[in-house]
Amino acid sequence: GQNIDQPTEMTATEGAIVQINCTYQTSGFNGLFWYQQHAGEAPTFLSYNVLDGLEEKGRFSSFLSRSKGYSYLLLKELQMKDSASYLCAVRDRSGDSSYKLIFGSGTRLLVRP
Amino acid sequence: DTEVTQTPKHLVMGMTNKKSLKCEQHMGHRAMYWYKQKAKKPPELMFVYSYEKLSINESVPSRFSPECPNSSLLNLHLHALQPEDSALYLCASSPGQGAVEQYFGPGTRLTVT
Repeated sequence: GQNIDQPTEMTATEGAIVQINCTYQTSGFNGLFWYQQHAGEAPTFLSYNVLDGLEEKGRFSSFLSRSKGYSYLLLKELQMKDSASYLCAVRDRSGDSSYKLIFGSGTRLLVRP
Repeated sequence: DTEVTQTPKHLVMGMTNKKSLKCEQHMGHRAMYWYKQKAKKPPELMFVYSYEKLSINESVPSRFSPECPNSSLLNLHLHALQPEDSALYLCASSPGQGAVEQYFGPGTRLTVT
């Protein structure tokens, strides 16, 4: 089956660093994505990992370990506008070669002054 | 133009009504998606169109009927919906079904009374 787990909520302080973890189990893994979603808005793409290791993009970094079924999103120099839900999503490739994006439940991050 | 547009933004309909949701993109993308998102839950994939052909139907009830009249447009026809179908309906597109990034529209917030 498919399962994606991430913490429900996290709180951090402005200027700090926060790490949001994601563990997954899927049969046809074909990449892991992180999306940001502000309340009432559409998800926006943050990062993509398909090989093991760290991908850095400004204040945001994402790490993947395929053998452990584990990823994290690292947010540095937190700003108030970073308060949002962060969705871990796995791209799964089914037997007929169709790709599907399966989302975790999301982590609501609250950044406090 | 890197935008996916959706109309209407809000829709209230009765259980006997027939309505349609519309999605449009002019990025030349050949894959388009419908997701359903309930409050505080992640987006759930409903349908995928690739090159204007339906490639994935996630066992969605027949009261939801997708249509892709051309490569830029995606419709979702609604008929005889139930109150539990109330949700945010998100459209997304990507260059191809295997492409890394999906671009999401702002969504249509649907209320079924």
